[in-house]
Amino acid sequence: GESVGLHLPTLSVQEGDNSIINCAYSNSASDYFIWYKQESGKGPQFIIDIRSNMDKRQGQRVTVLLNKTVKHLSLQIAATQPGDSAVYFCAESDSGNTPLVFGKGTRLSVIA
Amino acid sequence: DSGVTQTPKHLITATGQRVTLRCSPRSGDLSVYWYQQSLDQGLQFLIQYYNGEERAKGNILERFSAQQFPDLHSELNLSSLELGDSALYFCASSEQYNSPLHFGNGTRLTVT
Repeated sequence: GESVGLHLPTLSVQEGDNSIINCAYSNSASDYFIWYKQESGKGPQFIIDIRSNMDKRQGQRVTVLLNKTVKHLSLQIAATQPGDSAVYFCAESDSGNTPLVFGKGTRLSVIA
Repeated sequence: DSGVTQTPKHLITATGQRVTLRCSPRSGDLSVYWYQQSLDQGLQFLIQYYNGEERAKGNILERFSAQQFPDLHSELNLSSLELGDSALYFCASSEQYNSPLHFGNGTRLTVT
């Protein structure tokens, strides 16, 4: 498969543990945030989104936390599985002004 | 499967040549976005169309152009290709502004 971002920060976790991937954003006007998962050879896949009027949103095994005070976003994955191994990107948007701007990505490696 | 179709999957061409990448958005999505992904630059926004009209422009070179047709499919034209244009080119579509983008699996362009 295709390697994306050979020099990305990497997070290694044991299978079954929880993972936390962090993202700092810079635009204080951003009000919409998304997490994407990208597996080798594929396009980014939508995981979960959150708007600035919320500070937490949960999905299936995933939780996104938003701290607007320090402009920080995190993705928590519960009971991490080998299939979760991928590159994870956060993205932000300023409503009506800019399309999604992506962060650099974090590679998650799950150790079986 | 995101519902976004990109062709071709791979393109190998020489410097100075011109290529066309094609994208069919998800059924019902009016917005189409083009992103470039290279190893050292991450996902960079190029251009967005909404219902046939250009809506936003990012870091798109003058050698690159795009359009969206009445049937909503889009084409990205890359001309006078340089070695540095080698990258993955992704198309994405969305229902409306500030809603999740759904990505195709990309076109891998190699310029030799």
